[in-house]
Amino acid sequence: DGGITQSPKYLFRKEGQNVTLSCEQNLNHDAMYWYRQDPGQGLRLIYYSQIVNDFQKGDIAEGYSVSREKKESFPLTVTSAQKNPTAFYLCASNWDSSQPQHFGDGTRLSIL
Amino acid sequence: KQEVTQIPAALSVPEGENLVLNCSFTDSAIYNLQWFRQDPGKGLTSLLLIQSSQREQTSGRLNASLDKSSGRSTLYIAASQPGDSATYLCAVRRDTGGFKTIFGAGTRLFVKA
Repeated sequence: DGGITQSPKYLFRKEGQNVTLSCEQNLNHDAMYWYRQDPGQGLRLIYYSQIVNDFQKGDIAEGYSVSREKKESFPLTVTSAQKNPTAFYLCASNWDSSQPQHFGDGTRLSIL
Repeated sequence: KQEVTQIPAALSVPEGENLVLNCSFTDSAIYNLQWFRQDPGKGLTSLLLIQSSQREQTSGRLNASLDKSSGRSTLYIAASQPGDSATYLCAVRRDTGGFKTIFGAGTRLFVKA
């Protein structure tokens, strides 16, 4: 079945450590997105990519980095510069902005 | 700046009741509006997407309407079932500014058997 796979489901970060969240899709979608969800709040856009080797900052990009070397993969790195990384991270994709976004099952990141 | 608000934050109804969830947005220059369902600890599932030129979309027991001039959308759920219990989020894609989508905080729905 086609879909979006996020891994790991749970991740723990130590102080000063960078961690990378994986997002893979086999839907052949051009656009991919990373969102952060905090309790009681809507999703906030971290980064998005419309095509391979291109990506744009969202509303809360500070302390995060991404790459888009392959169409099906859009990994997110949470760097040590992100001082409040504890959240639920969601990856999404679609053909283009006129089409529905499809989401993975998320990664929950916590601080040790 | 586009803001999306969903009221109420939580709603509890008995099984079989018809219900309406509300979504309001501050800037009427939208490209489309999407309704999602989110189960606890899971990602979002797309329910309905309404393009800015459309007034409503229907899928099974769900009907979503869009009134851009008043900055409002509603999600109507007919004959609610316990399996409908989840958080429902609406999201607005802006007419300008690229691919950015603004999400509401959601309405948590509980359908009692």
